[in-house]
Amino acid sequence: EVLLVESGGGLVQPGGSLRLSCAASGFTFSDHYMDWVRQAPGKGLEWVGRIRYKADSYTTEYAASVKGRFTISRDDSENSLYLQMNSLKTEDTALYYCARVGCSDGTCYPGDYWGQGTLVTVSS
Amino acid sequence: DIQMTQSPSSLSASVGDSVTISCRASQGISNSLAWFQQKPGKAPKSLIYAASSLQSGVPSKFSGSGSETDFTLTISSLQPEDFGTYYCQQHYSYPLTFGGGTKVEIK
Repeated sequence: EVLLVESGGGLVQPGGSLRLSCAASGFTFSDHYMDWVRQAPGKGLEWVGRIRYKADSYTTEYAASVKGRFTISRDDSENSLYLQMNSLKTEDTALYYCARVGCSDGTCYPGDYWGQGTLVTVSS
Repeated sequence: DIQMTQSPSSLSASVGDSVTISCRASQGISNSLAWFQQKPGKAPKSLIYAASSLQSGVPSKFSGSGSETDFTLTISSLQPEDFGTYYCQQHYSYPLTFGGGTKVEIK
């Protein structure tokens, strides 16, 4: 069974930092790109960023709203995905999900499996 | 950035009805479109990928169609468990973008 479990959320002051983790199990983590997606309270889904796998040099992509402040990384030996968030703003308050990028018959697509999310609240 | 526009933003339908949700891309995205269902307090669930391919384990009452800029998700024979908010997402180019969501309520 594919499982993604996020952790590390909490209350942080504006300008502060936080590191989220996503523990993966039930599949070969190193074979998949991974995404972070967030959802502000009562709002829709917003894609945060992606990290590719080793064969694609672990390169990353980010939404403009977080570029330069957030960094996605992964540790394939630990089956873990990370989101380092710096210079946090009140508008970063959201439930943060990690999501697997799936592939089937040569087609790859986002979000075939999701974690349950971890809540980040940025407030003074 | 590619803008994704969903319509309607909400709908109410009766059990047994067939409902259609539209998703329009601001530029052509081939068939690089996914659909998700989200219930309150839960993570999104993948329904459709590549515009029309059914995710494993998803009932065939859900179907997707379209290409380039215009896409639809159809739910046939609506049941109470189908309530929730439905989102489209393009994965043709970065940044990936979601539609604003369509809230489906059961009358």
